[in-house]
Amino acid sequence: GAGVSQTPSNKVTEKGKYVELRCDPISGHTALYWYRQSLGQGPEFLIYFQGTGAADDSGLPNDRFFAVRPEGSVSTLKIQRTERGDSAMYLCASSLDRGERPYTFGSGTRLTVV
Amino acid sequence: SQQGEEDPQALSIQEGENATMNCSYKTSINNLQWYRQNSGRGLVHLILIRSNEREKHSGRLRVTLDTSKKSSSLLITASRAADTASYFCATGLTGGGNKLTFGTGTQLKVEL
Repeated sequence: GAGVSQTPSNKVTEKGKYVELRCDPISGHTALYWYRQSLGQGPEFLIYFQGTGAADDSGLPNDRFFAVRPEGSVSTLKIQRTERGDSAMYLCASSLDRGERPYTFGSGTRLTVV
Repeated sequence: SQQGEEDPQALSIQEGENATMNCSYKTSINNLQWYRQNSGRGLVHLILIRSNEREKHSGRLRVTLDTSKKSSSLLITASRAADTASYFCATGLTGGGNKLTFGTGTQLKVEL
């Protein structure tokens, strides 16, 4: 596609529920990144994929968070047993490859856990 | 964790003035990038400077990099109200693939 698409743009869920956030990167971009941003802070790294595999998942805060990219394009970030502290903007970005490249970001998913 | 620290945290200037934002980082990098974010939505890439470069220009933007001081600056000349946004530096670490670590950001307000 022309840009990075994230759905939904907003998600409100109850504490304890499961959520899935979707990212559709730019066609042909092999690297895909997930970040989380709290109000007034910079984006915080969660995980990045090169192709189908997770090249670095060191930013995932705990085992409630999981991400997949089964066909090397669309990625899904999954959060189990959501907590109020998970409320944040979740940003996805893609780049052409894993070299020194600029990122193209999506518009983000604003997750609110009530 | 945040590798970069931007300074100042907030900056308010008049239209037509220049805006300078600084970024300091802690570890060895292979590149440094600047991004802009409007209204808490997605970030937009502005400029990338590699560790062997000292200065780069793009339109009204000028970025410098001093690897000996582990710092970078972003200069926006002849600012406009539309430049109002948050600006973030992001560092790519040597051996880190293309994983970027973002700073805390500078909120720029350009007033008419």
